[in-house]
Amino acid sequence: GAGVSQSPRYKVAKRGQDVALRCDPISGHVSLFWYQQALGQGPEFLTYFQNEAQLDKSGLPSDRFFAERPEGSVSTLKIQRTQQEDSAVYLCASSLGAGVLYSGNTIYFGEGSWLTVV
Amino acid sequence: EDQVTQSPEALRLQEGESSSLNCSYTVSGLRGLFWYRQDPGKGPEFLFTLYSAGEEKEKERLKATLTKKESFLHITAPKPEDSATYLCAVQAWTSGSRLTFGEGTQLTVNP
Repeated sequence: GAGVSQSPRYKVAKRGQDVALRCDPISGHVSLFWYQQALGQGPEFLTYFQNEAQLDKSGLPSDRFFAERPEGSVSTLKIQRTQQEDSAVYLCASSLGAGVLYSGNTIYFGEGSWLTVV
Repeated sequence: EDQVTQSPEALRLQEGESSSLNCSYTVSGLRGLFWYRQDPGKGPEFLFTLYSAGEEKEKERLKATLTKKESFLHITAPKPEDSATYLCAVQAWTSGSRLTFGEGTQLTVNP
């Protein structure tokens, strides 16, 4: 696709409910990132995939958060037993290359999935 | 731990009034410094990447510069459509592929 696509754009979940957020990266992009952005804050790193391999999941806030990218393209971020503090925008991003940064390795963000836990 | 501090938190300018946004960073080996623009309800939009002190990049009314401790985003003769939140992020050699973002500067340009 032309850009990073995320769905749903908006999700209201009751506390304790499980949610799944989908990310379609730019076609052919090797690297995929998930970030969490609270209102009025900068994005915070959650996890990173290189193709289907999850190379860094150090930013996931708890074991209720799980991400996968089984075929190296589409990714899903799953949050189990949602809590109010999980309310945020979840941003997915992708880049063409991996590993060493080079001038063409721009990281492109999607428009985010807005999660509200009530 | 990598840290990014942006100032001011908010800035109001009149159309045509030039100014600069600041991004101070602490990182153990800078791999790259990024500037993004974020409009309300949208994801961050890439503007620039800077790699080493002394580097400068320009795009329309924006110019980004980098020193060993900070980066500036200079806005020359801004227009109302430049109103947005500007985010700075760093990537360190020791932090894999993750970006560490500042909290952003919310810029409003009045006509």
